[in-house]
Amino acid sequence: SAVISQKPSRDICQRGTSLTIQCQVDSQVTMMFWYRQQPGQSLTLIATANQGSEATYESGFVIDKFPISRPNLTFSTLTVSNMSPEDSSIYLCSVELGARYEQYFGPGTRLTVT
Amino acid sequence: KQEVTQIPAALSVPEGENLVLNCSFTDSAIYNLQWFRQDPGKGLTSLLLIQSSQREQTSGRLNASLDKSSGRSTLYIAASQPGDSATYLCACSSASKIIFGSGTRLSIRP
Repeated sequence: SAVISQKPSRDICQRGTSLTIQCQVDSQVTMMFWYRQQPGQSLTLIATANQGSEATYESGFVIDKFPISRPNLTFSTLTVSNMSPEDSSIYLCSVELGARYEQYFGPGTRLTVT
Repeated sequence: KQEVTQIPAALSVPEGENLVLNCSFTDSAIYNLQWFRQDPGKGLTSLLLIQSSQREQTSGRLNASLDKSSGRSTLYIAASQPGDSATYLCACSSASKIIFGSGTRLSIRP
């Protein structure tokens, strides 16, 4: 299994500002994933982050809006840039471990944009 | 394109009842299917993972089944408790992409 922490756990931000979310894993992992969960909705994959390469973004998400860093095998950041109220969501990071491709999630970051 | 559906969207049952949550998927070419629990405003907790070659997995009061031929999975919860109240999500994993269902919000009435 994996223990994943995220910072901050929640934040209230002004429109037009940016927020960087940190994700720390207690073991080395190849791929880390960032998800968005809008109020009352399921999870949507934003991007996949591999150490040493550019993140791969899903349709509808772009690097300018959601830049991602992956400096080592245990850490990643997601920045939500130029925020608007529509960005209010829970942002979750996850990792995939083992031969069974099991997913483990962090506790999430609850973002409210006013 | 994989689509994952969970019905019903919400379910309320009295404490002590056994219940079944349903998950259906359109593409049977999956690596695994995973069931998660999410408490309000929190992250996801993995409950059970069924590999594509398996038919079921059990953990305590939980039993998950997988039928790839029909594109269905069920999560059986025995002797439900108020602490089981949460949203339950299923997710299908294939080719390094995971697709989530929209979840079933479960409420157990004391």
